[in-house]
Amino acid sequence: AQKVTQAQTEISVVEKEDVTLDCVYETRDTTYYLFWYKQPPSGELVFLIRRNSFDEQNEISGRYSWNFQKSTSSFNFTITASQVVDSAVYFCALGPTQGGSEKLVFGKGTKLTVNP
Amino acid sequence: DTGVSQDPRHKITKRGQNVTFRCDPISEHNRLYWYRQTLGQGPEFLTYFQNEAQLEKSRLLSDRFSAERPKGSFSTLEIQRTEQGDSAMYLCASGLRLAAYNEQFFGPGTRLTVL
Repeated sequence: AQKVTQAQTEISVVEKEDVTLDCVYETRDTTYYLFWYKQPPSGELVFLIRRNSFDEQNEISGRYSWNFQKSTSSFNFTITASQVVDSAVYFCALGPTQGGSEKLVFGKGTKLTVNP
Repeated sequence: DTGVSQDPRHKITKRGQNVTFRCDPISEHNRLYWYRQTLGQGPEFLTYFQNEAQLEKSRLLSDRFSAERPKGSFSTLEIQRTEQGDSAMYLCASGLRLAAYNEQFFGPGTRLTVL
């Protein structure tokens, strides 16, 4: 069975601090995709990134960066110089490739609060 | 370019009543997904349509739940004889099958409260 674990339930930081959100996954699939979504208080899930299991290259997008390590089944998300607008619940998700189930399996989320 | 829309955004009902939610996907998206999110949890998959065909259903989708996508465009999710445990956010997503993955774009959700 597939599983995503986000061990950090809540994190609180002060603006401009760096923060890393952890994600550990379990799957028997040999190829799969990993995702991060942001859910602000409005409730809508906002797509942040998708990563193929074959691509372990780290990715940086502005203040966001992602570290994918297949050896430890982790896909961690770092926000550099956090801002108040980053306050939200962040979800890591796992999705099989074409030919498998269409569903995304989500972790329980990490609530990030960035204080001014 | 409009995103996924859901109606209503909020629904309060009494236990035992039936409720129906609507989801309008992004135009030309042939895939449509329903998820349920309870407080403090991540979204959980309920069901998925490819065009008008319902191809996958979760065990979470009890016989009180039914979803349809009659013309391959909008979808409805009906809950019969609602129970307090049905209180949750119901999220709809739509997507296209691309080369090797399925992008899922989520709507704002319908928050159901069963009294």
